[in-house]
Amino acid sequence: GDSVTQMEGPVTLSEEAFLTINCTYTATGYPSLFWYVQYPGEGLQLLLKATKADDKGSNKGFEATYRKETTSFHLEKGSVQVSDSAVYFCALSDGDRDDKIIFGKGTRLHILP
Amino acid sequence: DAGVIQSPRHEVTEMGQEVTLRCKPISGHNSLFWYRQTMMRGLELLIYFNNNVPIDDSGMPEDRFSAKMPNASFSTLKIQPSEPRDSAVYFCASSFESRLNQPQHFGDGTRLSIL
Repeated sequence: GDSVTQMEGPVTLSEEAFLTINCTYTATGYPSLFWYVQYPGEGLQLLLKATKADDKGSNKGFEATYRKETTSFHLEKGSVQVSDSAVYFCALSDGDRDDKIIFGKGTRLHILP
Repeated sequence: DAGVIQSPRHEVTEMGQEVTLRCKPISGHNSLFWYRQTMMRGLELLIYFNNNVPIDDSGMPEDRFSAKMPNASFSTLKIQPSEPRDSAVYFCASSFESRLNQPQHFGDGTRLSIL
């Protein structure tokens, strides 16, 4: 079945460092891809999404490009802030199949001041 | 705009007791999802509804768990009897036309502790 694999955390970076969180997926159809972020004590919230190959999703300085040839959707940010400390989830959905979103296990990010 | 509303935010109870978690989805959303999050297992989908009808309950751990959606604006997840291993954060999420790959909107969760 469809699945999402993302790099294990925790990832610890200094403020203003460059961030990459790797995500690869397996899907039989043509899924949409998402990154969700979970801040402490809160639910997941959508960070960005891409619905087809070569689409780039972006929000709050974060970017991810839907790469069909490598089945990847890596999350990047050029200069992280302490407030970016959170857990990040890569996810996919294939509406042609069902209503579910398949989530990765999450990557915890710590940004040091 | 009101988001997904869950209650209670925290619940502490003794094992064997009945626990009821509540969720009010975003108005107009027609899909509702219940998740459980633990350190060991991460985020698990328990059950989801579409237009108030349960579609997939394969993630419900066992018969002690049940979920209902009597109308478009309310859902409950019940555990009876509760056990310490049920301790987790339970999230409700809703979406509109999820078949169009629309994102899910999550509530802030209910942190459940079974003593």
